[in-house]
Amino acid sequence: SYELTQPPSVSVSPGQTARITCSGDALAKQYTHWYQQRPGQAPILLIFKDSERPSAIPERFSGTSSGTTVTLTISGVQAEDEADYLCQSADLSGVFPVFGGGTQLTVL
Amino acid sequence: EVQLLESGGNLVQPGGSLRLSCAVSGFTFGGYAMSWVRQAPGKGLEWITGISAGGNKTLYADSVKGRFTVSRDNSENRLFLQMSSLRAEDTAVFYCARSPRYCIGEACSNNWFDRWGQGTLVTVSS
Repeated sequence: SYELTQPPSVSVSPGQTARITCSGDALAKQYTHWYQQRPGQAPILLIFKDSERPSAIPERFSGTSSGTTVTLTISGVQAEDEADYLCQSADLSGVFPVFGGGTQLTVL
Repeated sequence: EVQLLESGGNLVQPGGSLRLSCAVSGFTFGGYAMSWVRQAPGKGLEWITGISAGGNKTLYADSVKGRFTVSRDNSENRLFLQMSSLRAEDTAVFYCARSPRYCIGEACSNNWFDRWGQGTLVTVSS
């Protein structure tokens, strides 16, 4: 089955920049979307179609794509950004949604 | 305000059945495709099924195909998930999620989810 690979954890100090990657064979051809999930809460859409941001999401969240790796960048990390971040795309057919395993962001 | 509220989660024995419901408000339910996404304890998200805005097309992950059935009642603004032959590995929080499109499958490849409910817990155990 198709998989998206994320690092299990990323740590940054407040005010620094966090970069979270997501890799998958089909990502060069498929859009990637990103979600934030705080403990015990539902996911929130952060980025869709690689780099577009819903209006309610702060500008410090951004997404980029390069080949089979996409990156979520959080600039000026704040304590409230401590959460799990999950990428999502589609399988090789483009039909079935697939999620990455998630990356736990720790704000030191 | 867009709201999605799941209900129906419970403790059920292996082999049993359960029906989940997702009541929505704040948007035109019949204009959006919907999905169910689950999260096992301590694990990541797993998409399990989706249904087009009109209800005429459904998709299922292999892990639930033949056991789960998704449906919707656009007049009542509700999404449903009928689950049967439940297994211990089905234990999870089940979320309903909205896609900002009316279709699913090849016609609307690579859907994403712009609104989520708070989830309902299903525990399969004897």
